[in-house]
Amino acid sequence: LAKTTQPISMDSYEGQEVNITCSHNNIATNDYITWYQQFPSQGPRFIIQGYKTKVTNEVASLFIPADRKSSTLSLPRVSLSDTAVYYCLVGERDDKIIFGKGTRLHILP
Amino acid sequence: DTGVSQNPRHKITKRGQNVTFRCDPISEHNRLYWYRQTLGQGPEFLTYFQNEAQLEKSRLLSDRFSAERPKGSFSTLEIQRTEQGDSAMYLCASRSSGRAYNEQFFGPGTRLTVL
Repeated sequence: LAKTTQPISMDSYEGQEVNITCSHNNIATNDYITWYQQFPSQGPRFIIQGYKTKVTNEVASLFIPADRKSSTLSLPRVSLSDTAVYYCLVGERDDKIIFGKGTRLHILP
Repeated sequence: DTGVSQNPRHKITKRGQNVTFRCDPISEHNRLYWYRQTLGQGPEFLTYFQNEAQLEKSRLLSDRFSAERPKGSFSTLEIQRTEQGDSAMYLCASRSSGRAYNEQFFGPGTRLTVL
C-alpha cells in the first residue's frame, strides 16, 4: 500500500488558486490517485481521480507528473466555502480506503 | 439518487449501554462500508459488505462491535457495553461494483458521545 505525504495545513485567500501537493514515492503501476474533500461535520466527498498527466472536472484539476511519485490538486479561485480537509489516497488494499490525516485548507477573506 | 443516509445523526449514551446505528446506502449500490473518525484524524476503516456478506473486518472492530446487512440493503452497526473511547463519528459509505474502487459515497455520519 503506497504511503502518502501531504501538508498538515494550508492557508489561502479568496480568489486565489490553491495547489496541494501529495507525495507517493511507492505508488504501484496499477494504482490510481484519488482526492476526497471533507467539510466539518460531514462525510468525505470524492472530488477527483487520475492515473497520469492531467484530469479536470468542475471542482478541481489533478496534475500527475510522468514518474507519478507525486500529484497536485489544484483548486481554481477558491472561496470561503472551500475551507475543508483534503485527503490524497493512492491505490487500495482489499477494497477499503485508507485515509491519512489530510490537509486542512483554511480560506481567508 | 437520494444519497447515503444515517440515523441517528447524534447519539449520547452512558458508558456500558448498547447503541445501534443504521445506514441506508444508495439503492443500487451493492457494497457498503463502515468507518470511524475521531477528532483531527482521517476516517478509519471498520468493515465492509458486498450485498449481505461481510467480507472484511478491521482489527479495530472489537468483539463489542457487530455489523449486519440483512438482505443486502440497509446496514446496522451495534456497539455493546460502550466505553468512552468509542466516542467518535461513525461514517457509512456505499458504492456500486461498476464504480472505481476509490469512489465511495459517504453519509453524513452518526456522532456518538459516551459519557
